[in-house]
Amino acid sequence: AQTVTQSQPEMSVQEAETVTLSCTYDTSESDYYLFWYKQPPSRQMILVIRQEAYKQQNATENRFSVNFQKAAKSFSLKISDSQLGDAAMYFCAYRGFYGGATNKLIFGTGTLLAVQP
Amino acid sequence: EAEVAQSPRYKITEKSQAVAFWCDPISGHATLYWYRQILGQGPELLVQFQDESVVDDSQLPKDRFSAERLKGVDSTLKIQPAELGDSAMYLCASSLSPLAGTDTQYFGPGTRLTVL
Repeated sequence: AQTVTQSQPEMSVQEAETVTLSCTYDTSESDYYLFWYKQPPSRQMILVIRQEAYKQQNATENRFSVNFQKAAKSFSLKISDSQLGDAAMYFCAYRGFYGGATNKLIFGTGTLLAVQP
Repeated sequence: EAEVAQSPRYKITEKSQAVAFWCDPISGHATLYWYRQILGQGPELLVQFQDESVVDDSQLPKDRFSAERLKGVDSTLKIQPAELGDSAMYLCASSLSPLAGTDTQYFGPGTRLTVL
């Protein structure tokens, strides 16, 4: 069974600085998707960034980028120029490549990010 | 921008009572998911619908939980009877098609259930 591990329960960053959130996963599949979701307090979870395992190039979305190390099964999220609005719980998630019953997201336990002004 | 709607946002109930949660997915989304998020943990899938059919309910405690999506649009998740351990956030998500590699799940705001 696939598992996702986030070893940093809490992180803190100064506004305008850069922070990296860690995630490791375990799977026997060769093709899959990895995601970072953001859950602000009392608001819905939103997708931050997605990485396809068959792509070697790391995904980027504006200030958000990932470091995907397939062999090491590592998937970290880097937030550059941190803003107060980035404060939230961040979840790393895994999804199998094929649809149907395997389409569920498998989440880590989350990292609570605080942004200090 | 279209969003997944859920109601109620908060629910307090006593153990052994029945509770129900409602979810309206984004229009046109064939796939609907119910996740349970216990405090301090990541969400876990309870049930996945493709249109009106259940495709995965392996983690749904079927002795007390039931879910339906009768017309393949909105969905109801029911707990009867509720137990103290059911206190959690119940999240609904929807996506266009799980067969598409880039399929994205969009989440609703959730229902926070407290069982006393």
